[in-house]
Amino acid sequence: DAGITQSPRHKVTETGTPVTLRCHQTENHRYMYWYRQDPGHGLRLIHYSYGVKDTDKGEVSDGYSVSRSKTEDFLLTLESATSSQTSVYFCAISGSGGHYEQYFGPGTRLTVT
Amino acid sequence: AQSVTQLGSHVSVSEGALVLLRCNYSSSVPPYLFWYVQYPNQGLQLLLKYTSAATLVKGINGFEAEFKKSETSFHLTKPSAHMSDAAEYFCAAPSQGGSEKLVFGKGTKLTVNP
Repeated sequence: DAGITQSPRHKVTETGTPVTLRCHQTENHRYMYWYRQDPGHGLRLIHYSYGVKDTDKGEVSDGYSVSRSKTEDFLLTLESATSSQTSVYFCAISGSGGHYEQYFGPGTRLTVT
Repeated sequence: AQSVTQLGSHVSVSEGALVLLRCNYSSSVPPYLFWYVQYPNQGLQLLLKYTSAATLVKGINGFEAEFKKSETSFHLTKPSAHMSDAAEYFCAAPSQGGSEKLVFGKGTKLTVNP
């Protein structure tokens, strides 16, 4: 298994509070991604990173921000959590070389009450 | 832009029966195509990958997929379903425009009945 961990694995938070999810990799891969998974929608890309301090938006980036200060860590922040952000969040990594193959972390289940 | 369509959000088969999960891509022939599997409460795991070296690709757990350019399809099959195959399956293709992004289908949940 690719060395990807996510923390926390479960979180319950209240509407309006900021939340930060962490993805940590030990593979030294260049690309990192944050997805959310919701029934009927499959996986949707929130943000991705193509290097340290290099990030870009995905298809559902509103209400989310990211940071990558080290190769191994990619943080996802919900600036002010809303109930619509209740979801399962997955981090993924991919190496360079144009092969596109992504490896996924175990996920974080977030509930916003 | 590339899109991936999976026909059937739920598929139910009997144990020992053929499994067929359908995937179609929309755009120009992608250089790669993927099938991922997700078991309950887990992340996605790569099942197999098409790289244009061969149109029939074998993956883990007895699954295989065939790339058909004329049908823009990449269907996943397994000759004989096992109870342990019950999971959700996702087809994915590279997003056009680079940046190493993938576009995922919405997933097909496979149920295997005893």
